[in-house]
Amino acid sequence: GQQLNQSPQSMFIQEGEDVSMNCTSSSIFNTWLWYKQEPGEGPVLLIALYKAGELTSNGRLTAQFGITRKDSFLNISASIPSDVGIYFCAGQDTSSSGTYKYIFGTGTRLKVLA
Amino acid sequence: SAVISQKPSRDICQRGTSLTIQCQVDSQVTMMFWYRQQPGQSLTLIATANQGSEATYESGFVIDKFPISRPNLTFSTLTVSNMSPEDSSIYLCSVVVGAAGQPQHFGDGTRLSIL
Repeated sequence: GQQLNQSPQSMFIQEGEDVSMNCTSSSIFNTWLWYKQEPGEGPVLLIALYKAGELTSNGRLTAQFGITRKDSFLNISASIPSDVGIYFCAGQDTSSSGTYKYIFGTGTRLKVLA
Repeated sequence: SAVISQKPSRDICQRGTSLTIQCQVDSQVTMMFWYRQQPGQSLTLIATANQGSEATYESGFVIDKFPISRPNLTFSTLTVSNMSPEDSSIYLCSVVVGAAGQPQHFGDGTRLSIL
């Protein structure tokens, strides 16, 4: 089946630094989503991307839908301690019933050092 | 987006027993899904919960182990049957509101430990 590989797997950064992470797929997706999950909570949607080449921002977060439609990038500018968490990408696929479903990436664990 | 409530939020169960997890949404939703997140891992789709019909299961998941109901557009249940320690995971409900292709939103999950 399809797999989404995220890199880096984990990262420790200093407060104030910018963060970059990416997600790559063996197949083409029509929609990319980025989520953040904190301990004890479900994933929270950060950004949704619907078109190849699309660049979308949400505050200090910026995500891009790769031109090949097989990858996506998430950047966090001027990181703060509350950015700690696990960041997941997700790509939209078609389920066996013909409707759609989302495949999740392996996750990037972010730790911000104050 | 919709408010998604899952019950219970956590439980500790004996092996061989079954537990039913409920997912209640405060508005009608287009689609409902159930995911499993094993410790330290990503999210794996168990099935799509179809309103008024049998759920659509992903490879590796079967109805006998994970029966799912969705009697209406705002409620679904997932049962984890005949549990073993390998079933210790977080089980998450997610929903899509509005037109197909919209992003999905998650509840806070049910943390299940099997002794």
